[in-house]
Amino acid sequence: QKEVEQDPGPLSVPEGAIVSLNCTYSNSAFQYFMWYRQYSRKGPELLMYTYSSGNKEDGRFTAQVDKSSKYISLFIRDSQPSDSATYLCAMNKGGGYNKLIFGAGTRLAVHP
Amino acid sequence: DGGITQSPKYLFRKEGQNVTLSCEQNLNHDAMYWYRQDPGQGLRLIYYSQIVNDFQKGDIAEGYSVSREKKESFPLTVTSAQKNPTAFYLCASSRGLPNEKLFFGSGTQLSVL
Repeated sequence: QKEVEQDPGPLSVPEGAIVSLNCTYSNSAFQYFMWYRQYSRKGPELLMYTYSSGNKEDGRFTAQVDKSSKYISLFIRDSQPSDSATYLCAMNKGGGYNKLIFGAGTRLAVHP
Repeated sequence: DGGITQSPKYLFRKEGQNVTLSCEQNLNHDAMYWYRQDPGQGLRLIYYSQIVNDFQKGDIAEGYSVSREKKESFPLTVTSAQKNPTAFYLCASSRGLPNEKLFFGSGTQLSVL
């Protein structure tokens, strides 16, 4: 079983829709949770960074962590065609060196 | 502009050949990383370096080698021992503190001829 599970999609939505992207994980030691956005053939860029349970909002993006369920989500409001990309969740245990465990990524397509 | 530069963007390897991927950063970051990305899979750590002249194996180091002679540079060599080298390779860096965010380069696509 993978430590981090993420549905690869693809997920296709109309412009303006609310998008929900999710990851589940098995290791309760994970404490730091990140979402990266990756355009085709480019390097990932950090979108959201959260610690422990709760919500964090940044513009149209909201990251949610539920440690009791080992489940994290990224919500995108008013989705735009420019949001079309692969979204990768990543997490680490904290302490020591910075070893991130990545999900496989969910491919999102927002059509006009 | 501060950032991470990977070159070349595309690289082709012949059977039995070693190839070297370049990664340079001007962010003054102490830590640097190499990841491999295959279609439908998450990023997997090949090697990482937390300081100059020191590096550690990641989860899939077999068939790869690295050096860290300068803070700015962390080249990756894909050796002939790596039997399935076709993948997208990503270099990243961070300040080296625990739980730090990673900043990625734009990647190198390596293919076998």
